[in-house]
Amino acid sequence: SQKIEQNSEALNIQEGKTATLTCNYTNYSPAYLQWYRQDPGRGPVFLLLIRENEKEKRKERLKVTFDTTLKQSLFHITASQPADSATYLCALYNFNKFYFGSGTKLNVKP
Amino acid sequence: DGGITQSPKYLFRKEGQNVTLSCEQNLNHDAMYWYRQDPGQGLRLIYYSQIVNDFQKGDIAEGYSVSREKKESFPLTVTSAQKNPTAFYLCASSAGNSGGHQPQHFGDGTRLSIL
Repeated sequence: SQKIEQNSEALNIQEGKTATLTCNYTNYSPAYLQWYRQDPGRGPVFLLLIRENEKEKRKERLKVTFDTTLKQSLFHITASQPADSATYLCALYNFNKFYFGSGTKLNVKP
Repeated sequence: DGGITQSPKYLFRKEGQNVTLSCEQNLNHDAMYWYRQDPGQGLRLIYYSQIVNDFQKGDIAEGYSVSREKKESFPLTVTSAQKNPTAFYLCASSAGNSGGHQPQHFGDGTRLSIL
């Protein structure tokens, strides 16, 4: 069956460090992978999209990599800030539908 | 400002009752989606619509129904057949006839509970 896995344990890091979140998937061949941020009680907010033929994508302090051989995407936040604390979701697009991981909660401590 | 509006924010359902969740968008998007989010789980697709007057079942459509009579509106009805309706419901839209290269824009959800 198709599965998207994100680390269910919260990631706790110190302000200023780089946070790295992982998204692994099985039994998909997605053409696109997206990352979203979700704050408690709110809907997800789109952050970045990466295509299967792109290895890396950057936007300000954010960087996403996409390895279709390993079936993995890494999401990096450099110079992290307490305001970056949230749950981060990855999403794959396959056969007209989006499939979401359960998300990883990031806690950035001052 | 353009966006997606979901209402109400909180909703309570009695046993045997149908309830309808509202979703309105002013982004002029063709595609709209309904997801269900349970604690510790990813978003699961209930229904989606790529164009007015057409919609398709997602992965967990049983006990739910939708309509798409207008481009900007995609209401979700949770019927009494849905035995475990307590969850956080999210509506989303995207430009074009779906397509993974388009980001999804989400509303702020409706939290449904059973009385």
